Amino acid sequence: NAGVMQNPRHLVRRRGQEARLRCSPMKGHSHVYWYRQLPEEGLKFMVYLQKENIIDESGMPKERFSAEFPKEGPSILRIQQVVRGDSAAYFCASSPPGTGVYEQYFGPGTRLTVT
Amino acid sequence: AQKVTQAQTEISVVEKEDVTLDCVYETRDTTYYLFWYKQPPSGELVFLIRRNSFDEQNEISGRYSWNFQKSTSSFNFTITASQVVDSAVYFCALSSLNTNAGKSTFGDGTTLTVKP
Repeated sequence: NAGVMQNPRHLVRRRGQEARLRCSPMKGHSHVYWYRQLPEEGLKFMVYLQKENIIDESGMPKERFSAEFPKEGPSILRIQQVVRGDSAAYFCASSPPGTGVYEQYFGPGTRLTVT
Repeated sequence: AQKVTQAQTEISVVEKEDVTLDCVYETRDTTYYLFWYKQPPSGELVFLIRRNSFDEQNEISGRYSWNFQKSTSSFNFTITASQVVDSAVYFCALSSLNTNAGKSTFGDGTTLTVKP
């Protein structure tokens, strides 16, 4: 059973471009969480999704950021018109239904660099 | 609101020394889970341990041990006979049943450097 997969592992974007980060949860996991880790900081919760639903987006910046988890395919975190402050590591975690409070499997992260 | 505090930003020890990483948490929930993760220089997150709020038994796994004290809201992590490979950033995290399940709160991490 493959772990949580994230791609790309490294992404470089110029200011103003769009960044698309993908997360494929573990097989059988229908819950996905996105976290952001700014340099020298801990992980900060961004959004919690189930298939086709956003459950909690309280940690998402109000503008430029969006997330989806379609019925088929990976979860996508989209950042429009990136700025230097978006440079960070973005981690995705997944869990089976009902276990997210005590069981999250983390992917290797995507490191976004905005130049 | 939930909060996790790791007061030690950086710790440096010499190989074979014991080292304790502190974690203090705040939550109003009665059912919650505490975690420790290791983030080596390669950047991935490695799960180390999970403890639920009803289980205050200390745990030992090889050179690692954890001391959970509900009375002081602490969940400290000790590495015995540290090794260079233990050098990493260590994160303590908290999630609770009553706060949106799955929304983990992380501390800012402690950077441990073990020198040969």
